[in-house]
Amino acid sequence: GENVEQHPSTLSVQEGDSAVIKCTYSDSASNYFPWYKQELGKRPQLIIDIRSNVGEKKDQRIAVTLNKTAKHFSLHITETQPEDSAVYFCAARIQGAQKLVFGQGTRLTINP
Amino acid sequence: DAGVIQSPRHEVTEMGQEVTLRCKPISGHDYLFWYRQTMMRGLELLIYFNNNVPIDDSGMPEDRFSAKMPNASFSTLKIQPSEPRDSAVYFCASTATPVGPGELFFGEGSRLTVL
Repeated sequence: GENVEQHPSTLSVQEGDSAVIKCTYSDSASNYFPWYKQELGKRPQLIIDIRSNVGEKKDQRIAVTLNKTAKHFSLHITETQPEDSAVYFCAARIQGAQKLVFGQGTRLTINP
Repeated sequence: DAGVIQSPRHEVTEMGQEVTLRCKPISGHDYLFWYRQTMMRGLELLIYFNNNVPIDDSGMPEDRFSAKMPNASFSTLKIQPSEPRDSAVYFCASTATPVGPGELFFGEGSRLTVL
């Protein structure tokens, strides 16, 4: 089955700097890669996603890149702000299936 | 819509007791998922349903866990007997059959503590 590895497990950056979180997946049949943000004590919520026919997608300060050949994808957050502090999860879904397999999560801390 | 509704939000029980977690998906969503979240293992998929039928229960840890979906608006996850290692946050999530990617909508979660 699909396996998703996420790094780093914790990340601390200064406010205003950029943050990058990386994920790799194992199944080349995966075609959908969302990122979820989970604030402390809250539910995970979708922040951005990318499909396998696209190499990059941006939404204001966040962007996701996908390298299908290498089977890895990354989340980029620019001009980080205190409210970006949260746990971020990447996920992958195999084409034709509905279940999402999540990475282990990255705890991002933005230092003022 | 009120979103995915889970109950109870918090449950503290003693080892050996039966635990029942409940979920009401978003109206019109035909997929329902149960995830377990722990520090060690992250978000693990336990089971998911399509049109009330279990599709994949390969993530259910053992026979002590069971899940049902008697109708489109209700699902339960039952643990009997419960053990301390079952302590976790259990999330229910739902989505509609997507033409393209489908966003997974999570409930607030049920935090289970087994003493």
